[in-house]
Amino acid sequence: AQSVSQHNHHVILSEAASLELGCNYSYGGTVNLFWYVQYPGQHLQLLLKYFSGDPLVKGIKGFEAEFIKSKFSFNLRKPSVQWSDTAEYFCAVISSGGSYIPTFGRGTSLIVHP
Amino acid sequence: EAGVAQSPRYKIIEKRQSVAFWCNPISGHATLYWYQQILGQGPKLLIQFQNNGVVDDSQLPKDRFSAERLKGVDSTLKIQPAKLEDSAVYLCASSPTRAGVGQTQYFGPGTRLLVL
Repeated sequence: AQSVSQHNHHVILSEAASLELGCNYSYGGTVNLFWYVQYPGQHLQLLLKYFSGDPLVKGIKGFEAEFIKSKFSFNLRKPSVQWSDTAEYFCAVISSGGSYIPTFGRGTSLIVHP
Repeated sequence: EAGVAQSPRYKIIEKRQSVAFWCNPISGHATLYWYQQILGQGPKLLIQFQNNGVVDDSQLPKDRFSAERLKGVDSTLKIQPAKLEDSAVYLCASSPTRAGVGQTQYFGPGTRLLVL
């Protein structure tokens, strides 16, 4: 079965620091990759997604992610975080190798100190 | 547009009791998902519908969990009887596209279940 690994479970940063959250998945084939975010007290919402084309994708609020097929990775980055980025971040994969079952990582809790 | 609606938002029951959760997806969305999210983990897919047909239920504990999507719109997830380990947030999501690759999911607020 498809699996998704998020290596950083808890991250604490100061405002203006750079952010990189790791995400690796197990099966290849045709893949769709997602980062979802859950702000405190809110629903899970889409941050960005990769379906095909340019492996560097840009999302909302200055986030970007890079798909590296050879490394089975889809890391999330932001050059300068803000206090409002405090949230839970989930990487998710849908792949032909994983029978098209949406599979989520366990999430990374990000706290940004003002 | 209105988002995915779920009810109830919170439920506390005793083990061996039954419970049901309701989900109303975004209008026109063909695909509906139910997830279980245990504290400290990511959402785990329980069942996926396309219109009123089941696409995948391989991770649904069928001895106690059941789900239906009548008329391809609203959906109900039931647990009967509940166990302590069923304590979790149950998320409903919908997608405008058919099941398979290319699905962007829109999530509801979830139902937080506590089994005592």
